[in-house]
Order: sequence, then structure tokens, then C-alpha cells
Amino acid sequence: KAGVTQTPRYLIKTRGQQVTLSCSPISGHRSVSWYQQTPGQGLQFLFEYFSETQRNKGNFPGRFSGRQFSNSRSEMNVSTLELGDSALYLCASSLLGLALETQYFGPGTRLLVL
Amino acid sequence: GENVEQHPSTLSVQEGDSAVIKCTYSDSASNYFPWYKQELGKRPQLIIDIRSNVGEKKDQRIAVTLNKTAKHFSLHITETQPEDSAVYFCAASLQTGANNLFFGTGTRLTVIP
Repeated sequence: KAGVTQTPRYLIKTRGQQVTLSCSPISGHRSVSWYQQTPGQGLQFLFEYFSETQRNKGNFPGRFSGRQFSNSRSEMNVSTLELGDSALYLCASSLLGLALETQYFGPGTRLLVL
Repeated sequence: GENVEQHPSTLSVQEGDSAVIKCTYSDSASNYFPWYKQELGKRPQLIIDIRSNVGEKKDQRIAVTLNKTAKHFSLHITETQPEDSAVYFCAASLQTGANNLFFGTGTRLTVIP
């Protein structure tokens, strides 16, 4: 089975712009979670989608949003970019998004905000 | 929410020696504890996980122990090899609700040949 894929792999944006990142889960997986990874804050949970519904959300401002499509692919959007949004954005997929399930990570999208 | 602390932040060992990384968590409702290895520029990869109904799990040179009473769990790597050099993250997941992981801050392990 193909692993989790993310596009694009690298992005450079300027402050105030918006960005959309895409994640394709492992075939058959219906849950997609998003994480932000920075040197200062480590890996932090953004939100999780299952069957096109956001089920859980981390402690991030409303500028961070997402959605999931009927084929389980997910996108996350960051509006009005700030310098502090520079990070590696990782998505992870699991079969049903249950608490004891293994999550498989994608390679990430590295976002640089100038 | 859950708070996971991880120590040490850096660890250097000689090839062939053992490495131990420790994590503590705050929420007694957590019951799934995975460990991820992240090499430079690569995605986190699950190396081992443990669920709260067991106290220890082993997979070749890697083992994880869990003490639910003390709310801590540890990763043990024996006979370390240079390819074990990476950043290791522990995480915890609550029993109820969705499966969002709470991560520790990571341990950079360097195995010196």
C-alpha cells in the first residue's frame, strides 16, 4: 500500500497570504489528523477529520482550518500568515481514528513565511 | 489536556551500549503510548507502541515499559547502532474521544561509532 502523501513538500509565502496544504491518507484510512512541528513547540495537534467531519481540534487560532473530502483526502488552510506559522506541517492517517490506533505520518510540508 | 514530558533532550552513547529515554504523562485516562523515530528531514516513523493493559513490550533491540501508577513510560534500545541516531518522540493518547496524540519534546540520540 502506498503511504501517506502530502503536497506540496515545500512552500514559501509572505506574511498576510494564505496557504492550502493537501494530504492523501493510506488507502482505506478514513481518519486524517494534522500536526504542526516547530523547534520551539515540538509536535502539536491541530485537528482531526473523519468522514468529512472535524471531530477534534487543538489549541490553534481560527486562522487554521481544514476539511476532508469524500475520498478521505484532507486539506488544511492557514489564512493571514504570520512569521510564527513557519513550520513543518505533518498529516497522519489511521483506519478509523480510534484512540488506540496507530497513526502513520506523511513526509510533511515545510512552510516558510517571510 | 494531557501534558507529556520527555527526558533527556539529548543523549550520546557509544555503539553497542544501551540507551534509555523516559517520559511522564499527566492524564490518568491516557492508555496508548507510541514511540516515533524521526531521522533528519524525514517523517516520524512508529517504532513501537504499548497499550495500558500491558507493562512491557519488546521488539528485537527495542523495548518499552509502562508504569501506569507512576504515569511514566520508557524506551530502551539495546546494542545501539549508528543508524539508531535520530530524534525520538514519545506520545500519549487519551482513551476517549478522537486519537489526537500529545507528544513529548523529543530526544536527540547520537550513537558514536
